[in-house]
Amino acid sequence: AQSVTQLGSHVSVSEGALVLLRCNYSSSVPPYLFWYVQYPNQGLQLLLKYTSAATLVKGINDFEAEFKKSETSFHLTKPSAHMSDAAEYFCAVRGGAGGTSYGKLTFGQGTILTVHP
Amino acid sequence: EAEVAQSPRYKITEKSQAVAFWCDPISGHATLYWYRQILGQGPELLVQFQDESVVDDSQLPKDRFSAERLKGVDSTLKIQPAELGDSAMYLCASSLGARGGNEQFFGPGTRLTVL
Repeated sequence: AQSVTQLGSHVSVSEGALVLLRCNYSSSVPPYLFWYVQYPNQGLQLLLKYTSAATLVKGINDFEAEFKKSETSFHLTKPSAHMSDAAEYFCAVRGGAGGTSYGKLTFGQGTILTVHP
Repeated sequence: EAEVAQSPRYKITEKSQAVAFWCDPISGHATLYWYRQILGQGPELLVQFQDESVVDDSQLPKDRFSAERLKGVDSTLKIQPAELGDSAMYLCASSLGARGGNEQFFGPGTRLTVL
């Protein structure tokens, strides 16, 4: 079975400060990992994805995430927060070939990011 | 830019009534997903279609929920009868295929409130 744990349901930062949203995963096969952002009453938008190429993945709006197999982590970072980054962020894992969860996307509980002026 | 379309955006109904949600995926996307997102939680997969066939409905409450994708294009999710606990956001997503690296594109969702 695969699972995702997002540490911290709420994160608050000041505008211009570093953003760090934590995600740990569990998967029986090499995973595909995703970060999505959701604004109120909207669907999810993909920020970035890890598909076993480079371990440091760059996404939209200056977000990036690093895949660390030894730590089973895929934390999301952004060097400088902007007011428009305030939203809910979801980490998700998708099983690779050979696993019983092949193709199925499993989401974490989400982290609400608040950005203070 | 192609998008996943969903309707209605909002639905209020009374318990025991029937409700239906519609989804039109991005053209050419063979795989379609319905997710339920309860407030404060991440989305949970209800059903996955590959073309017109269901490939995963293990989390679909089949006594009251049904889903179809008759021509392998658009899809309908139905709840009958609705219960208070069904209040949630229902999200539709589509992808080119089910392979792990394929991105899932999400629609805006239908917010269901059951009174």
